[in-house]
Amino acid sequence: GAVVSQHPSRVICKSGTSVKIECRSLDFQATTMFWYRQFPKKSLMLMATSNEGSKATYEQGVEKDKFLINHASLTLSTLTVTSAHPEDSSFYICSARQDGNYGYTFGSGTRLTVV
Amino acid sequence: DAKTTQPPSMDCAEGRAANLPCNHSTISGNEYVYWYRQIHSQGPQYIIHGLKNNETNEMASLIITEDRKSSTLILPHATLRDTAVYYCIVRGAIIQGAQKLVFGQGTRLTINP
Repeated sequence: GAVVSQHPSRVICKSGTSVKIECRSLDFQATTMFWYRQFPKKSLMLMATSNEGSKATYEQGVEKDKFLINHASLTLSTLTVTSAHPEDSSFYICSARQDGNYGYTFGSGTRLTVV
Repeated sequence: DAKTTQPPSMDCAEGRAANLPCNHSTISGNEYVYWYRQIHSQGPQYIIHGLKNNETNEMASLIITEDRKSSTLILPHATLRDTAVYYCIVRGAIIQGAQKLVFGQGTRLTINP
C-alpha cells in the first residue's frame, strides 16, 4: 500500500531558528501533498496544499513567509518553519494521495517544540 | 464540501460492535463519504469510503442511508486498539489533481475492557 514517510518525528529548536520537515511518498508519486497542524486535543487544521513544481496554496490565515513549502519532486515536499516561536510548537502532519480515487495517506507526524 | 456532524465522544465494550454515526445533510450527489481515524500522536489512518452503496473492507463497514444524509461506520468487533478519534469527511470526487481533506472535530471512541 501507499506509504508516506515524515521526518523528523520529533524536533526541539530554539526560538528564532528555522526547522525543516520532510514528507516523502515512498512507493508512489504525489503531484499534490498537504500540510496540517494539530494542537493538543484539537482536530487537524489544513495549512497548505503543496503542488509539485509550482507554488503552494495556503489556507486563509496561514503565513506563507513563515511556513515555507517546497515540492521539488513528485516524491518530496518540505515544510520549513522560519524564525520559530514557542507558539509554533505543534504537531505537523503531511499527507499525499495516490492516483485513483483512493484515500489519502498520512505521514506519522512531526512534534515540534520551540523553546 | 459538505459539513459533517459527529458526536464528540462514544464508549464501546471490547468485543462488541462500535457504531459511529455521522450526519452530512448537505451532501451533494458527487460527494463521497470518507472515514479516517487518528490514534494518539499518530497521523490519521484511512478506514473506508463510499458514495451511495454500503461498503465493507477488512477494517470496517460503511452504511450510507438512502438519502445519503447520514452514514454509520461499523467496527464489527472492537478491540482496545480501536480507541482513537474517528473523522467523517465529505468531499467531491477527484477529477484532476487532488482535493483537500478538511477535518471536523471527530468522535473520540473509547473501547473499554
